[in-house]
Amino acid sequence: GIQVEQSPPDLILQEGANSTLRCNFSDSVNNLQWFHQNPWGQLINLFYIPSGTKQNGRLSATTVATERYSLLYISSSQTTDSGVYFCAGGATNKLIFGTGTLLAVQP
Amino acid sequence: GAGVSQSPSNKVTEKGKDVELRCDPISGHTALYWYRQSLGQGLEFLIYFQGNSAPDKSGLPSDRFSAERTGGSVSTLTIQRTQQEDSAVYLCASSTDSRAWTQYFGPGTRLLVL
Repeated sequence: GIQVEQSPPDLILQEGANSTLRCNFSDSVNNLQWFHQNPWGQLINLFYIPSGTKQNGRLSATTVATERYSLLYISSSQTTDSGVYFCAGGATNKLIFGTGTLLAVQP
Repeated sequence: GAGVSQSPSNKVTEKGKDVELRCDPISGHTALYWYRQSLGQGLEFLIYFQGNSAPDKSGLPSDRFSAERTGGSVSTLTIQRTQQEDSAVYLCASSTDSRAWTQYFGPGTRLLVL
């Protein structure tokens, strides 16, 4: 089955810093999503991005489908950005999740 | 509108007992998914419903696990004869239909088997 690898596993930032999170897939995916899990455990869908680039406020994501990777950019980070960021993908609507990047943004 | 809701929020049970977990998807969403999140295994897919049928049950870990969906809405995940390794957060998600793949998650049910 598809393997999803995320890096870095954890990251500590000062408020205002920028960061890039990466997700690699072992095989082609038609379905790729980024999620943020807040400290209370709620998973929030950030992007559905099987290819191309999307932006939403301070967040943007780029997927290079031919090279089987996706990047999530966080600019001007805030303490509320803390939590775990997951990418997930698959050939169909069934999602295989990576192990996540734990982000801590310090004031 | 309301998001995905799950009940109970927390469940503590004794080994060997049966438990039922409920998921109420976003109104109008025909696709529904169950996942499990545990420290050892991360986030794992369990089962997917389109309407009342389950085209993909490949993630159910054993025959002690079953799920049903009635009326194309509420779904129940049942775990029979619970074991300690069943302790996890059980997450439900829904999407508009089987072709719209953006998934919206509920808050989860935290299950602890003693």
